[in-house]
Order: sequence, then structure tokens, then C-alpha cells
Amino acid sequence: DIQMTQSPSSLSASVGDRVTITCRASQGISNYLAWFQQKPGKAPKSLIYAASSLQSGVPSKFTGSGSGTDFTLTISSLQPEDFATYYCQQYNSYPLTFGGGTKVEI
Amino acid sequence: EVQLVESGGDLVQPGGSLRLSCAASGFSFSDHYMDWVRQAPGKGLEWVGRIRKKGNSYTTEYAASLKGRFTISRDDSKNSLYLQMNSLKTEDTAVYYCARVKGTADFDLWGRGTLVTVSS
Repeated sequence: DIQMTQSPSSLSASVGDRVTITCRASQGISNYLAWFQQKPGKAPKSLIYAASSLQSGVPSKFTGSGSGTDFTLTISSLQPEDFATYYCQQYNSYPLTFGGGTKVEI
Repeated sequence: EVQLVESGGDLVQPGGSLRLSCAASGFSFSDHYMDWVRQAPGKGLEWVGRIRKKGNSYTTEYAASLKGRFTISRDDSKNSLYLQMNSLKTEDTAVYYCARVKGTADFDLWGRGTLVTVSS
């Protein structure tokens, strides 16, 4: 199985900050990487697919990059609604696997 | 409205069975692969499995740890996805989400989830 490792597991930030989350795959996954946002008590929301493509309706303040084993999600100008937990997921091979999550807190 | 709505979550004893449903609306359900993902209380996301569409013979994939106990099926005539869970264990306690697959790859739509609690 491909292991996905996110860092940090949590971070504190302020409104207006630029935040970067890292996701590392235990083996190469090309660009088969997605990012999700989850708020407490809510379902995950798909943000990015193919490492850097925005899902429909997702604001451009979310930027994904990377290929192979190393990926990043950057949120520019953090807003109150962005405080949530973010997960990466590889869909290069079965079983699909998620990172452990990064909680973005105030 | 394009949406997925899960149902069937309940309190069940260890060793018991439960069938979850996911009702799709607002899109052509039969054109999509569909997945189940679960989340134990306070934990991260865990992929459960996938069912492909008719053109791919409704073939399935499962997380290795669940294969043999969980079965995914679908009824395109009812726009519904199912998860049959047998021999349930306390560690199966989780919110279960269904998710629509875009193409053959990533998820682009999630349901709100249904809670399964396995406890005596």
C-alpha cells in the first residue's frame, strides 16, 4: 500500500496568513493526488485533483503543486472559513489512501 | 440539486450486519464509479471500496482489511449505492460517506454521511 504522510499534523495561523501543507507519498504516484477540506461535523469537500487542478467552484486561493512523491497545498490569505482539516489522497493505485490530515487552527 | 444522501446507519451489536444506502440525485448515476469512505470518531479518512459502472461490469475494489466482510453493490434503476457490512466489529464504528468518482479517478462529490455504531 502507498503511505501518505502529511506535515504538519496541525498548525496555528492568523487571518490573512499564507499557509502551506505538505504531503509525501511512500512511492511515486505521478500526479494522482487530491486534496480535501473538512470542517467539524461536516463531510469532506473536494478541493484539488491531479495535484494542481481546482475542482469546480473552488476559489483560486487554493493552489496545489507537486509530482512524483512530494506535494503541497497552499492557501493564500487565510480567511475564517478556511480553518478546517485538510487531507491529501492518492488515487494512483489501490487501495486508495489518505494522509493523516492537517488541522489548520487560529 | 446534485446530491448524495446516505442512510441506514444504526447501533448494532458486534457480529451483526447492516446495510447502508446512498441515494443519488441530480446527475446520471449510472455513468459514475462510486466509492465508500469511512471516518472513525476523531480519526482521519479511510477508503472502504469502489464499484465501477455497468460498462466495466460493475467490478469492485476493497480495502484489504475489509474484503470478505463488506460488499458494495448498486442499483442504477434506483440511482442507489449500497454497502453490506457483515461480522461487524467495534472498530467499524464510523461515519460512512459515499462519494462520486469523476472519470475513473478522483472524488468530486460527497454525501453527508451516516453513523454506524458497533457496540454491545
